Amino acid sequence: NAGVTQTPKFRVLKTGQSMTLLCAQDMNHEYMYWYRQDPGMGLRLIHYSVGEGTTAKGEVPDGYNVSRLKKQNFLLGLESAAPSQTSVYFCASSEGETRTDTQYFGPGTRLTVL
Amino acid sequence: GDSVTQMEGPVTLSEEAFLTINCTYTATGYPSLFWYVQYPGEGLQLLLKATKADDKGSNKGFEATYRKETTSFHLEKGSVQVSDSAVYFCALSDQGGSEKLVFGKGMKLTVNP
Repeated sequence: NAGVTQTPKFRVLKTGQSMTLLCAQDMNHEYMYWYRQDPGMGLRLIHYSVGEGTTAKGEVPDGYNVSRLKKQNFLLGLESAAPSQTSVYFCASSEGETRTDTQYFGPGTRLTVL
Repeated sequence: GDSVTQMEGPVTLSEEAFLTINCTYTATGYPSLFWYVQYPGEGLQLLLKATKADDKGSNKGFEATYRKETTSFHLEKGSVQVSDSAVYFCALSDQGGSEKLVFGKGMKLTVNP
């Protein structure tokens, strides 16, 4: 099993450009999550999904959109990138609810917006 | 709102030293508590967890006990190794169904031989 994979690993964008980050999991998990990690701030939840075709906002959703068309994939989109979105982005998945089930994280995508 | 406060470091220890990383939380209900570890260049992985008061989580020689009376979940290891060098995050998940893990800011640990 590959677990949780993320594409791409690194990306540099100019302000105003758009891009999509892809997360894929092969564990048949229902729940998937997108976090951003910034220095000295831990991880913050952007959006999450509790099943195919569902999405919900997390703590810092502004400027991002997501889609979960297939159970194994969770896409994070930036329509018009801003320097404040420079961060490391992590995807995670879990079998069920956060209170009891382990979240498995991908290796991360380092995004720089100039 | 819910929050987690943990030692931020960075901390440098010698191999075989004793490790304690303090973590306290604020939550409205009865959260589950977690320690995640991030090794250099990797994503986070679960180290241990506790879902109710007085539970003790343990893994790889690390332990933490859910103390409701002091709202704490301190991480301890009796003898650290060079391979324990990583960033350690304390986190909580409340019972409100928000599916949100609230993380502390993380503490970088370096263990020297």
